[in-house]
Amino acid sequence: SQTIHQWPATLVQPVGSPLSLECTVEGTSNPNLYWYRQAAGRGLQLLFYSVGIGQISSEVPQNLSASRPQDRQFILSSKKLLLSDSGFYLCAWRTSGTQTQYFGPGTRLLVL
Amino acid sequence: GENVEQHPSTLSVQEGDSAVIKCTYSDSASNYFPWYKQELGKGPQLIIDIRSNVGEKKDQRIAVTLNKTAKHFSLHITETQPEDSAVYFCAATPGNSNYQLIWGAGTKLIIKP
Repeated sequence: SQTIHQWPATLVQPVGSPLSLECTVEGTSNPNLYWYRQAAGRGLQLLFYSVGIGQISSEVPQNLSASRPQDRQFILSSKKLLLSDSGFYLCAWRTSGTQTQYFGPGTRLLVL
Repeated sequence: GENVEQHPSTLSVQEGDSAVIKCTYSDSASNYFPWYKQELGKGPQLIIDIRSNVGEKKDQRIAVTLNKTAKHFSLHITETQPEDSAVYFCAATPGNSNYQLIWGAGTKLIIKP
């Protein structure tokens, strides 16, 4: 069966520091991968989408970036965090050609 | 583009009663409608979904109905239990995009003992 991992689970970072969040999927090949952000008590905002290694689509212009160095690895990065980057970051995957997305456990980021 | 509206934002029901959450969408070409449950501090989990060629789908205490003419779909939970307390999100796949889900704002469901 497929599983999705995210780490770290929680992160507290100062403003201006860099960020690297990692997501990995097991049990499937060539998944489509997503990064979402969820502000406290709010809905889901799609940040990035990837159909394959090195292929990243950005949905929202901001100081975040994403990379996909391996088939089942998706990384969210920032060079300098802003206060507004605080939130709950969710990684999701789906099998190419299907529509259902499956979410990881999330990373809670607090920027101080 | 596609827009999904979800109501109510908060729903409080007595344990054992039924709960109904409704979503409306704007793109008549939308063809896939999932519902997710998100417990506090966790990622959303798919609980049920429906495709545009089906009017209703049921899984034990959970059901989803779709009205394509009116462009709305609803989540029905019967015999609610304390563990049903969570935030529920609806979503729709727009007709011009197979990769994207357009999300509702969420409904916080509170089950009162």
